[in-house]
Amino acid sequence: QKEVEQDPGPLSVPEGAIVSLNCTYSNSAFQYFMWYRQYSRKGPELLMYTYSSGNKEDGRFTAQVDKSSKYISLFIRDSQPSDSATYLCAMSANRDDKIIFGKGTRLHILP
Amino acid sequence: DAGVIQSPRHEVTEMGQEVTLRCKPISGHDYLFWYRQTMMRGLELLIYFNNNVPIDDSGMPEDRFSAKMPNASFSTLKIQPSEPRDSAVYFCASSLGSSKNIQYFGAGTRLSVL
Repeated sequence: QKEVEQDPGPLSVPEGAIVSLNCTYSNSAFQYFMWYRQYSRKGPELLMYTYSSGNKEDGRFTAQVDKSSKYISLFIRDSQPSDSATYLCAMSANRDDKIIFGKGTRLHILP
Repeated sequence: DAGVIQSPRHEVTEMGQEVTLRCKPISGHDYLFWYRQTMMRGLELLIYFNNNVPIDDSGMPEDRFSAKMPNASFSTLKIQPSEPRDSAVYFCASSLGSSKNIQYFGAGTRLSVL
């Protein structure tokens, strides 16, 4: 079983829809969870950073962590064409551990 | 700040040639990371430095790969000799020790080895 699993997509949704992106993981020691956005031909950009379980909201973005299920989600409300990108989940056991990345989900928001 | 700067943006070379990728981290950041991204394997950590010292190079695929950080504002990743399977996008990232996991990535170098 891979440490971090993420559906590669592509996921196509109409503009204005709510998007749900997900990752599962196998290592119960993971405590720090991140979501990165990567536009085509660009480097990953940190979107959300959370510690342990629970929800975190930032504008149209909400990150959710369920450690009991080893499942994390990123929700995007009122999706825009500019949200079209690849979204990578990432996680680590502690601040000094290396980050393990998912392979990313390609998202297309259709105008 | 201009962010993490990588050069070149694109590199096309022939098998057997030496390739050198360059990175300038964000000023003041004390951690520097080199990653490789491919469709098959995703984003993988190759090596990282703290205060110019290599800390973990367990991700370096083989002896053909080497990385240096001669000062706080410059790092290189060298592949010698290059092979077609080294074709990938190579990213450099930097972070501050107080928030090591909050990493800022450069735009990457797209390497094609023919």
